[in-house]
Amino acid sequence: QKEVEQDPGPLSVPEGAIVSLNCTYSNSAFQYFMWYRQYSRKGPELLMYTYSSGNKEDGRFTAQVDKSSKYISLFIRDSQPSDSATYLCAIDTGGFKTIFGAGTRLFVKA
Amino acid sequence: DVKVTQSSRYLVKRTGEKVFLECVQDMDHENMFWYRQDPGLGLRLIYFSYDVKMKEKGDIPEGYSVSREKKERFSLILESASTNQTSMYLCASSFPAVTEAFFGQGTRLTVV
Repeated sequence: QKEVEQDPGPLSVPEGAIVSLNCTYSNSAFQYFMWYRQYSRKGPELLMYTYSSGNKEDGRFTAQVDKSSKYISLFIRDSQPSDSATYLCAIDTGGFKTIFGAGTRLFVKA
Repeated sequence: DVKVTQSSRYLVKRTGEKVFLECVQDMDHENMFWYRQDPGLGLRLIYFSYDVKMKEKGDIPEGYSVSREKKERFSLILESASTNQTSMYLCASSFPAVTEAFFGQGTRLTVV
């Protein structure tokens, strides 16, 4: 079983839609959860991070962690064409290692 | 503006060649990383370094080596390139015990 599972998509939505991106993980000891956004032909950039369970909101983006089900989510409200990118979930395992999901490609159509 | 710069955006090399990928960061970060990114597999850690001249193997170090002679520079070396090393290579850096990593723009390497 992979430590982090993420559906690679692609996911195509119309402009203005609410987008839900998800990952599952296997180790209940993980505490730091992140979402990176990667535009085409660019490196990933940190979008949001959360510690332990709960929600964190930043503008149109909400990151959610459910440790009981080992499920992490990223919600994008009022999606825009500029949100078209690959979104990678990531988990800091402590020490130097970060585990990345495969990434979900998102297309927002105008 | 923080910056991680990789020396090449695109490279085409022949099987058996020795290949050098260079990465420079201007943020005085102690930690530096090399990942490869393949469709469906995400980012996989090849090597990392937490100080000058220090290096640690990641998950897939076979066929690769690294060099860190200066704090700002981290090089990835493919000793004898093979076609299964065709991939996107990403360099990253961070402060110790800090979650966020800063990535370069990536080098797309094709081995023919």
